[in-house]
Amino acid sequence: QKEVEQNSGPLSVPEGAIASLNCTYSDRGSQSFFWYRQYSGKSPELIMFIYSNGDKEDGRFTAQLNKASQYVSLLIRDSQPSDSATYLCAVRSQAAGNKLTFGGGTRVLVKP
Amino acid sequence: ETGVTQSPTHLIKTRGQQVTLRCSSQSGHNTVSWYQQALGQGPQFIFQYYREEENGRGNFPPRFSGLQFPNYSSELNVNALELDDSALYLCASSQDSNQPQHFGDGTRLSIL
Repeated sequence: QKEVEQNSGPLSVPEGAIASLNCTYSDRGSQSFFWYRQYSGKSPELIMFIYSNGDKEDGRFTAQLNKASQYVSLLIRDSQPSDSATYLCAVRSQAAGNKLTFGGGTRVLVKP
Repeated sequence: ETGVTQSPTHLIKTRGQQVTLRCSSQSGHNTVSWYQQALGQGPQFIFQYYREEENGRGNFPPRFSGLQFPNYSSELNVNALELDDSALYLCASSQDSNQPQHFGDGTRLSIL
C-alpha cells in the first residue's frame, strides 16, 4: 500500500463545474496536509493546507480533512481551463521528521 | 520578497560523473528540503536541512549528500551518477521545519 494515494486521472470537468479530488493516506500520525498544483513542466505551487478536521475554504478552493477516515479532499468550484494541471496531495508527520510524502497526483482537465 | 531560486535550470551529465545543484531559500526561511521528481510521479523526499543541520533523510543512497550554509542556502551533491538519476530536482524552503514548504522552479537533470 502506498503511503499517499491519489487517482491518477485524468479527471475531466466541464468549465464552471466543481472538480472533486481525493487523497487517502496510511500514516495515522500524519498532522499536516497540503495540496499543490503543478502545471506541465513547472514546479509544484502550494494552493491549500489544512491541519484540523473539517473544511477550509480559500477562494474557489475548499480542502476537507477527515483524520478518522484518513482522507483529505480538494474541491475546485467554478472550474476554469486555467485550473487544468496535476494536483498533488502531500502529507507530513512530525514523527517522520517533518518530511512531505506526496501522492502521485491527479491530472485535471477543464474543458471549455 | 524573493522566492526560492535554483540553479542551474537544466543540466546534462554522463554516467559516473558528479553534480552539484544549488538552492537559495526564500527570505526569512531557515529550512530547506530537497526532492526528486521522476516523470509522471510525485516528488520523493531526499533530505531536509534546518539551521545547517540535516533534519531528516529519505530512502536515497549515501551518494546523495547535501549542505546548508549560514545564509540558509543549500547544495545537493550527487556522486557516481546513474541513468535513473535523471529527474527534476526540487528545492523547497519554509519558515521553520513544520511550516508549509514553497518550491523553486527546479533543476532538470538528464543523465546520458
